[in-house]
Amino acid sequence: EVQLLASGGGVVQPGGSLRLSCAASGFTFGNYAMSWVRQAPGMGLEWVSTITSTGSVTNYADAVRGRFIISRDNSQNTLYLQMNTLRAEDTALYYCARGGWKRGSDYWGQGTLVSVSS
Amino acid sequence: EIVMTQSPATLSVSPGERATLSCRASQSVASNLAWFQQRPGQPPRLLIYDASTRATGFPARFSASGSGTEFTLTISSLQSEDFAVYYCQQYNDWPRTFGQGTKVEIK
Repeated sequence: EVQLLASGGGVVQPGGSLRLSCAASGFTFGNYAMSWVRQAPGMGLEWVSTITSTGSVTNYADAVRGRFIISRDNSQNTLYLQMNTLRAEDTALYYCARGGWKRGSDYWGQGTLVSVSS
Repeated sequence: EIVMTQSPATLSVSPGERATLSCRASQSVASNLAWFQQRPGQPPRLLIYDASTRATGFPARFSASGSGTEFTLTISSLQSEDFAVYYCQQYNDWPRTFGQGTKVEIK
């Protein structure tokens, strides 16, 4: 069974940093691109970032480029999102999802909540 | 970026009736389009990929069509578990973009 367990969310002040993790199991992690997608409270889905299976290529939404860094450790079956210079508008539930490079993401975790507030 | 526009924003349908949802892209995305279903409090689930291929676990009452800029998702006979929000997403170009969603509610 595919499982994606995101963690690392919390409350942070504007300008602060957080590192999200997503532990994957139930599939060969190193064979899949991975993505982060966020959803602000009561709002729709917003794609954040995608990384290839090897980690060699990454893509970012304009809203986070230069502030967020996606990475992965295939030996640990873990996806990361380093979030710097956080803003109030980054407040959202952050989902990690399998895939997102050549087709829609086919498995999603439950998400981890990030709240940016003073 | 490619803007995805879904209509209507809300669709009120009686159980057993047909629902038709639309998604329009601001420029061609070929067939690189997915539909997701999101129930309250749950993560999205991939419903359709490549514009018309149904994902594992969804019954045949869900169908989809389209290419280029115009896409349609049809639910032939709504069941209680189908009342949810549906999003389209293009994966033809970066950045990946979602529509704003269509909420299918009970009439």
